[in-house]
Amino acid sequence: NAGVTQTPKFQVLKTGQSMTLQCAQDMNHEYMSWYRQDPGMGLRLIHYSVGAGITDQGEVPNGYNVSRSTTEDFPLRLLSAAPSQTSVYFCASREMPGNTIYFGEGSWLTVV
Amino acid sequence: AQRVTQPEKLLSVFKGAPVELKCNYSYSGSPELFWYVQYSRQRLQLLLRHISRESIKGFTADLNKGETSFHLKKPFAQEEDSAMYYCALDTNAGKSTFGDGTTLTVKP
Repeated sequence: NAGVTQTPKFQVLKTGQSMTLQCAQDMNHEYMSWYRQDPGMGLRLIHYSVGAGITDQGEVPNGYNVSRSTTEDFPLRLLSAAPSQTSVYFCASREMPGNTIYFGEGSWLTVV
Repeated sequence: AQRVTQPEKLLSVFKGAPVELKCNYSYSGSPELFWYVQYSRQRLQLLLRHISRESIKGFTADLNKGETSFHLKKPFAQEEDSAMYYCALDTNAGKSTFGDGTTLTVKP
């Protein structure tokens, strides 16, 4: 089972460039989220979605956009990369609140 | 707003010793609490959830609403328990809040 798949695994960007982190899940989960993981700061919620066509902001949404045109896909767009966005990004999905969260393997992003 | 606090960033114990990873939360509603674990070079995965009241890999966690805590315990730590542990709180709205994580090292 693929579960939650993220691409790319590693990326280096120059300041000001834009890019999209892809996330797909094959479990037909309604809820999907993007987190960033920084040393000493745990996991912080960037954006989340409770179903196709519905997205909302998390704790740290600035500089990121999301869309949810299908149940399976939840891409995260960096509009104009900044060094402060250097982090590890995790996509996650779950069937409904209170159920287990399934995580992707993570995407390591460096902005220089 | 909900909040999860894991007061220890690093925790080191010897093999066979008891271990307790602390988690405190603040939330005005009825909380759903979880522990997730990230072993080296692996993705985050569920360790246990309070609603199932089960023991996984020898770990247990009891929800104490009076103290707003959900501490993770194991009576005899093993080297393979070395990992990063996250406490997480769910709301009905589908948002999950994670603590900052505790890195557990079990020394031989």
